[in-house]
Amino acid sequence: NAGVTQTPKFQVLKTGQSMTLQCAQDMNHNSMYWYRQDPGMGLRLIYYSASEGTTDKGEVPNGYNVSRLNKREFSLRLESAAPSQTSVYFCASSDPGRSYGYTFGSGTRLTVV
Amino acid sequence: AQSVAQPEDQVNVAEGNPLTVKCTYSVSGNPYLFWYVQYPNRGLQFLLKYITGDNLVKGSYGFEAEFNKSQTSFHLKKPSALVSDSALYFCAATRDTGFQKLVFGTGTRLLVSP
Repeated sequence: NAGVTQTPKFQVLKTGQSMTLQCAQDMNHNSMYWYRQDPGMGLRLIYYSASEGTTDKGEVPNGYNVSRLNKREFSLRLESAAPSQTSVYFCASSDPGRSYGYTFGSGTRLTVV
Repeated sequence: AQSVAQPEDQVNVAEGNPLTVKCTYSVSGNPYLFWYVQYPNRGLQFLLKYITGDNLVKGSYGFEAEFNKSQTSFHLKKPSALVSDSALYFCAATRDTGFQKLVFGTGTRLLVSP
C-alpha cells in the first residue's frame, strides 16, 4: 500500500546508546518531516526537509540529527539517547502542492531507560 | 509565528448526540486548516481541510468543520456521535504562502459513551 513506512515500530534504548529511525514514502512527495508526540504537548516538529538535499531545524531539534538520503527516505538519528527522548516519533510527507496536508507513518514508540 | 489552540483536553458525549471539538488558530495571512484523527497506537489520519471557499467543509466519517474568519476558529462537528468516534483529534494550521509547515494543537480526546 502506498504511504509512509517507519521502522522500527518499537525500541528500547539505554541512556547513551545511539539509533536511527528510518522513514520512507512512495508517493513522490517533495517534503518530509519528523515529529515527536508527548502527552499534553501534541506534535512538535523536530526536523524537516522541504525538498531533496535540504534539511532544517524545527521546534525541538536538540539531540537529533537527520539525513535526507534521497527523495523517498528521511532518517532521524539519536546520537546519545536520553530519557527525555522517550516519546512516540512520527514521520510525515507532504504533496508538492501546499494544500494537501500531510500523510503520516504509523509511528515509532521509543523508550530510553 | 503560527499557533493552534485546542482548549479542551477531553470532550465527553453520549452516542447519538451532536459533538463539537474546538480549535482556534493564529496564522499570518490566509490559513489552511486541517483536522486529523488518531486511534490508539496508530498514526494520524486526515479528516478534512479548509483551503478556500465554503466555510462549512465536509470530511470523512460524517465529520464537518466550520471556518469562522472573524473568530479565527475551525471547530470540528458531527451531528450524531458514534462510540467508534472515540479517539484523539488534532487541529492543524499553516498559511497559504511560503513553505507549508503545519503547526498542531495539543489534541482533544473525544470519548463517546454508549
